[in-house]
Amino acid sequence: AQTVTQSQPEMSVQEAETVTLSCTYDTSESDYYLFWYKQPPSRQMILVIRQEAYKQQNATENRFSVNFQKAAKSFSLKISDSQLGDAAMYFCAAGTSYGKLTFGQGTILTVHP
Amino acid sequence: DAGVTQSPTHLIKTRGQQVTLRCSPKSGHDTVSWYQQALGQGPQFIFQYYEEEERQRGNFPDRFSGHQFPNYSSELNVNALLLGDSALYLCASSFGLAGAPGTDTQYFGPGTRLTVL
Repeated sequence: AQTVTQSQPEMSVQEAETVTLSCTYDTSESDYYLFWYKQPPSRQMILVIRQEAYKQQNATENRFSVNFQKAAKSFSLKISDSQLGDAAMYFCAAGTSYGKLTFGQGTILTVHP
Repeated sequence: DAGVTQSPTHLIKTRGQQVTLRCSPKSGHDTVSWYQQALGQGPQFIFQYYEEEERQRGNFPDRFSGHQFPNYSSELNVNALLLGDSALYLCASSFGLAGAPGTDTQYFGPGTRLTVL
């Protein structure tokens, strides 16, 4: 079984600043994957970044990067140079090789101009 | 390259009715997963189809059933609708490697908003 916890229901950031969204997880699987998805009001779930648990190097995608602490079961998302278009609900998710994704409760990110 | 598509966009039903939702996967994908997302919550896994078979199932009653067709498209059926079935239903597709169907990233469709009155 897997659980994913996002302890920040809401976060806000000024445009061009940096913000970090927190996520912790628990899993009994040895082979798993971690994801951050973004869901704007249009409700389309969009992949932000993916991290394989067996990789020690933190994943990065342009302005988005993760801090993956495997021993602590922590997987935070850092958004640099925040833009108005980054405003959305962000979900952390854990997946196994069998394909089931377990999502956290989400963090609403507001970006102020 | 078309992404994941779902139909219909919105649906209104009454309690006790049955509903069918449809999903076409992203080109090149052969695995379809379905999720239920209640308002303000994270998506909950319903089931996954791979090679036309239900490969994995979440904690949903038998009223929820599905099907995958030879062209990899999929349907989600819900019988005897309850008020609590009102939610956004998301379909996600991925490329399922033999023996490890979940190793590829899941890409989501825009969802179907189901309202049960």
